[in-house]
Order: sequence, then structure tokens, then C-alpha cells
Amino acid sequence: DAKTTQPPSMDCAEGRAANLPCNHSTISGNEYVYWYRQIHSQGPQYIIHGLKNNETNEMASLIITEDRKSSTLILPHATLRDTAVYYCIVIADDMRFGAGTRLTVKP
Amino acid sequence: NAGVTQTPKFQVLKTGQSMTLQCAQDMNHEYMSWYRQDPGMGLRLIHYSVGAGITDQGEVPNGYNVSRSTTEDFPLRLLSAAPSQTSVYFCASSWGRGPTEAFFGQGTRLTVV
Repeated sequence: DAKTTQPPSMDCAEGRAANLPCNHSTISGNEYVYWYRQIHSQGPQYIIHGLKNNETNEMASLIITEDRKSSTLILPHATLRDTAVYYCIVIADDMRFGAGTRLTVKP
Repeated sequence: NAGVTQTPKFQVLKTGQSMTLQCAQDMNHEYMSWYRQDPGMGLRLIHYSVGAGITDQGEVPNGYNVSRSTTEDFPLRLLSAAPSQTSVYFCASSWGRGPTEAFFGQGTRLTVV
């Protein structure tokens, strides 16, 4: 599975959009991009996934570049409850987690 | 639906003791897996199962055994606990291996002294 690179931490003001980048320059054609988040020490929670096209659901939007080498998770109106570690994972077989991005939403 | 249930939530073991971490899911998922998470790090895959009677090793399998006798249950056994196994353990399930949404339990925090 391809490796991902994420910034270790980011801050965001409450009510503003949070844009979390992920680099996956070695992604293969059959690998999907998945995003999970982990709040405090709870189990990770699925957010969104995509292959080529941009995706949106009730939680977030996922923007994947045309060459698929990077993606951005967008939380359109961040709240304090969105403070968490966000993991970008490229999956063909098994999920392999990196260290993720610790997003802190500030009042 | 309960989803993925892990027991116990907390456990303290002495070095050399053995124990079993329980994981059960009620979603009829074929794929189940165990991860460990050390402080400040992401989750690392220990073992996984693609169905009843089938298990395989992940990234960090040493010191752990698994079995899958039913679709619902996937217990993780520590044969002889070591301080290096102090960690938070997460069980997950999904419809299949690969790119499908995974559901995680709330974790078991294990301390080996």
C-alpha cells in the first residue's frame, strides 16, 4: 500500500473551513483514499473515501488532484467537536495508519 | 445494533501472564482485524481474518495469537505478556478486506507491569 504524508498538526478557528492535506505520491491505480478520525482515545471513525472523483457527504468533502498524488479533506464549518487526529490512508488491501494530523479547533 | 464490542476496557497484567482480549461484532462482517496503538502513534495491524477459520499476520504479530471460530468473534490472545505490549488495542470489522468502511471498537487499554 502507498505511503501517505500529513502535517503533524493544524489549527482552525471555530466556524471556519478546515482543510487537511495529504500527500500520496506513490498511489497505485487501484488504491482508494480513505479518511478516518480519532477523537481523544476512541476508536477511529470513518469520514469519507474516494478513488478519482471528488466526494462529499454530510461530514466532509474530499478533493483528489487529477494525478491522484494528493488530496484534501475539507470540514466546511469546523466545530470544537471536530478536534481530533485525522488519518489519511491509501488502501488496496489492509489499512496502514500513519501518525495523522492533529487538528485543534479553537473558539 | 451494538457494532463492534471489545472487552475488557481496561486491564493490568503482570509480566508473563496470559490473557484474551475479546472482540465481537453484530454486523455479519467477514473481515475482522486487531490493531495496537502506542502513545503518539498511529494504529499498527497485528492480525486479521477474512472469514471464519481464516487468519493471517499483520505488521506486528509477534507475541499474539488469534483464532476465528465464528463470524462474530475474533479474540486476541497474549501468550506471555511483556511490558512492550502495553498499548491500546482496537478491534475493527468490515465487509471485506481492502477499501471498505471499517467499524472500530472503543479499545482495550492494557498495561503490563
